[in-house]
Amino acid sequence: AQSVAQPEDQVNVAEGNPLTVKCTYSVSGNPYLFWYVQYPNRGLQFLLKYITGDNLVKGSYGFEAEFNKSQTSFHLKKPSALVSDSALYFCAVSYPNAGNNRKLIWGLGTSLAVNP
Amino acid sequence: GAGVSQSPSNKVTEKGKDVELRCDPISGHTALYWYRQSLGQGLEFLIYFQGNSAPDKSGLPSDRFSAERTGGSVSTLTIQRTQQEDSAVYLCASSFGVSSYEQYFGPGTRLTVT
Repeated sequence: AQSVAQPEDQVNVAEGNPLTVKCTYSVSGNPYLFWYVQYPNRGLQFLLKYITGDNLVKGSYGFEAEFNKSQTSFHLKKPSALVSDSALYFCAVSYPNAGNNRKLIWGLGTSLAVNP
Repeated sequence: GAGVSQSPSNKVTEKGKDVELRCDPISGHTALYWYRQSLGQGLEFLIYFQGNSAPDKSGLPSDRFSAERTGGSVSTLTIQRTQQEDSAVYLCASSFGVSSYEQYFGPGTRLTVT
């Protein structure tokens, strides 16, 4: 079955340090990969996506992610964390072979806490 | 421009009652999705609408759940005879079409069944 795993429930990092939020997915065709962020009391916001091309994709707020096909991973990274980055981060995947339905299959989320 | 809106923002209902949740997608977006976000279970796909095509209902958890999309715009998710396990945040998302990959989410409706 298609699935997404975010192995860490919580990630803690000091402000100014680099951060990584991990995501792996099950293999089935050529997936499209996404990161969304959910701030407290706010809706999900799109951060970045990998569809094809360069394995390193850049997104909003200075975030980037690297698609690694051999490791079936799509880890989210940022060189220098801000306290305002503290939020819940979701990795998601959709499979283009599912016809026109781009439904997203979600990880359980990782809570990122950036400490001042 | 306006984003995806959902109403109500919160709904408390008694077990056994029916509820209707509304979603207004971004104008011009032809694709509309409903998801459910439950504590400890993450987000799960419920139903997908694309233009005038038949909806993909494969994610609906039971026949108590149904959804409509009128005029290719507003959508209503109906839950009949609500159960406590239906308590969750119901999220609506829209995207521009089959060639668009990003989905834009509304703030959600928090449903509590007592």
